[in-house]
Amino acid sequence: ETGVTQSPTHLIKTRGQQVTLRCSSQSGHNTVSWYQQALGQGPQFIFQYYREEENGRGNFPPRFSGLQFPNYSSELNVNALELDDSALYLCASSWTSGSYNEQFFGPGTRLTVL
Amino acid sequence: EDQVTQSPEALRLQEGESSSLNCSYTVSGLRGLFWYRQDPGKGPEFLFTLYSAGEEKEKERLKATLTKKESFLHITAPKPEDSATYLCAVQSDNYGQNFVFGPGTRLSVLP
Repeated sequence: ETGVTQSPTHLIKTRGQQVTLRCSSQSGHNTVSWYQQALGQGPQFIFQYYREEENGRGNFPPRFSGLQFPNYSSELNVNALELDDSALYLCASSWTSGSYNEQFFGPGTRLTVL
Repeated sequence: EDQVTQSPEALRLQEGESSSLNCSYTVSGLRGLFWYRQDPGKGPEFLFTLYSAGEEKEKERLKATLTKKESFLHITAPKPEDSATYLCAVQSDNYGQNFVFGPGTRLSVLP
């Protein structure tokens, strides 16, 4: 059983640029959630994808967008990068069934915006 | 709006000195409360899920408990390798499948 993987590990961009982060879910999981974690804070929910459709969104602007592919892997795209977008971006996968499900996290992508 | 707070913000213990971390929550319709451990620069590692008041879970030196308003993570005779940030998160009727995380407690265990 493979765990959640993310790429790249680190990324440096300049303000105004666009970035794409990638996530491969744990085998057997059908749901991917993305979180942003600023230094010293808990993760903040960005959005979740289930069966290739957005299934919930946190308080993030539309320049944060995503995709889920038939193999359940996912991308997070951020347009018009701002300095405050510098953070650890975490992907979590889960199996959606019933009312609750554990989420298993990848190692994260550290994004620095200069 | 769902809220999760954790205390203390940071905790320093001597090896073998037991203690507890607190997670207080205000949610509408708790579906589950989750504890994670996070090492610096890495993703959170799943520890426990608690679903109803009175439930307890144990794993090695860790024991998690749940009441209607809070959860405790008890650490018995900690070792330096238990040093990490401990996060709790809730899943509720308000927000479907996503988690609301607390800010975490940074635990340092000194040899």
